[in-house]
Amino acid sequence: DADVTQTPRNRITKTGKRIMLECSQTKGHDRMYWYRQDPGLGLRLIYYSFDVKDINKGEISDGYSVSRQAQAKFSLSLESAIPNQTALYFCATSPTGYGYTFGSGTRLTVV
Amino acid sequence: QKEVEQNSGPLSVPEGAIASLNCTYSDRGSQSFFWYRQYSGKSPELIMFIYSNGDKEDGRFTAQLNKASQYVSLLIRDSQPSDSATYLCAVKANTNAGKSTFGDGTTLTVKP
Repeated sequence: DADVTQTPRNRITKTGKRIMLECSQTKGHDRMYWYRQDPGLGLRLIYYSFDVKDINKGEISDGYSVSRQAQAKFSLSLESAIPNQTALYFCATSPTGYGYTFGSGTRLTVV
Repeated sequence: QKEVEQNSGPLSVPEGAIASLNCTYSDRGSQSFFWYRQYSGKSPELIMFIYSNGDKEDGRFTAQLNKASQYVSLLIRDSQPSDSATYLCAVKANTNAGKSTFGDGTTLTVKP
């Protein structure tokens, strides 16, 4: 099994729909992150969490919310999806002070 | 000015050559520096990290850090076609910082 698992891998949804992207990890790390990747814009941070009770906004949190259900699970929600949220979404985890382990990504298309 | 800047490329080198990828950062207090490799359609993979000024070598890869110049680079020796990918530079403010800031990446093509 992968260290960081994201579901679904691909999703097409309609404008205005609520959608949840899920992430679980088996690394035992406290820190988890959600990034989106757009062509030419690199990886941009949406939200991050240091532990179950600690949630922090990233640089592009508007239109998104998160839930840290357990140390191993961190979900990202789009409450009312819009076309410019079409992107590749990555979940990542890390120990303190070290680099990230990324999930395989979720390709989201909002039509 | 972006916090982390990389040459957009694309960078093309012949097989067996040295590929040099460069990154500059704006936060002088940054302490942790990472290089990720991302193959097309795949997720980024951590390949190098460096915390101190100087060089750090791992196989064919060498990371170089110059904090005075706010510059970090990745050298790939004996480049192989399998090294063709996008390389992402990432910076953390300190070793306990919660998040990394990424550059936009440099796409490398190694031609046989």
